[in-house]
Amino acid sequence: EAGVAQSPRYKIIEKRQSVAFWCNPISGHATLYWYQQILGQGPKLLIQFQNNGVVDDSQLPKDRFSAERLKGVDSTLKIQPAKLEDSAVYLCASSKDLDTQYFGPGTRLTVL
Amino acid sequence: AQSVAQPEDQVNVAEGNPLTVKCTYSVSGNPYLFWYVQYPNRGLQFLLKYITGDNLVKGSYGFEAEFNKSQTSFHLKKPSALVSDSALYFCAVTGAGSYQLTFGKGTKLSVIP
Repeated sequence: EAGVAQSPRYKIIEKRQSVAFWCNPISGHATLYWYQQILGQGPKLLIQFQNNGVVDDSQLPKDRFSAERLKGVDSTLKIQPAKLEDSAVYLCASSKDLDTQYFGPGTRLTVL
Repeated sequence: AQSVAQPEDQVNVAEGNPLTVKCTYSVSGNPYLFWYVQYPNRGLQFLLKYITGDNLVKGSYGFEAEFNKSQTSFHLKKPSALVSDSALYFCAVTGAGSYQLTFGKGTKLSVIP
């Protein structure tokens, strides 16, 4: 069974630029999550989708972050404009039910 | 609000010795508890989980964890550490019926040859 796929693996941008990350979950997993992991901290949930609907986006900075999962499969997370404090690893995870979440390799974002 | 505490930033253990990585939690209702491991430049890998039932949970790579409701703890253990176990370990909790995982800040495990 293929795992959660993410791209790109690394991205370096200047502040105020925009960036997008892509995630393809494990086949058959209805729930998809985006997390932000700042160096030295545990992952923090940004947004959670159930199929193509948003379940929880309470911790998503909506003035600059957006995410979509239009067909209920893959998802895109966008940051526009980026700030220095957005430098982090962005992790995508998926789960079949209210149970184990499986994580992708992450995208390491550096904002200069 | 739910929370997880991992009181040790780093744990050092000699190869072949038993290891313990500590975790305590706070959540409303019955907890779902998880341990994940993260190797450098990799995502989180699932190790084991407690949902209900036996308090001693066995997981991948010889790891196990003991759920203690009275102490609200879920410590990760392994009888004999390997150098390849060196990594960052995260404990996470969610309440029954909730999707939202809350992670601890992680514990760096170093196994010394």
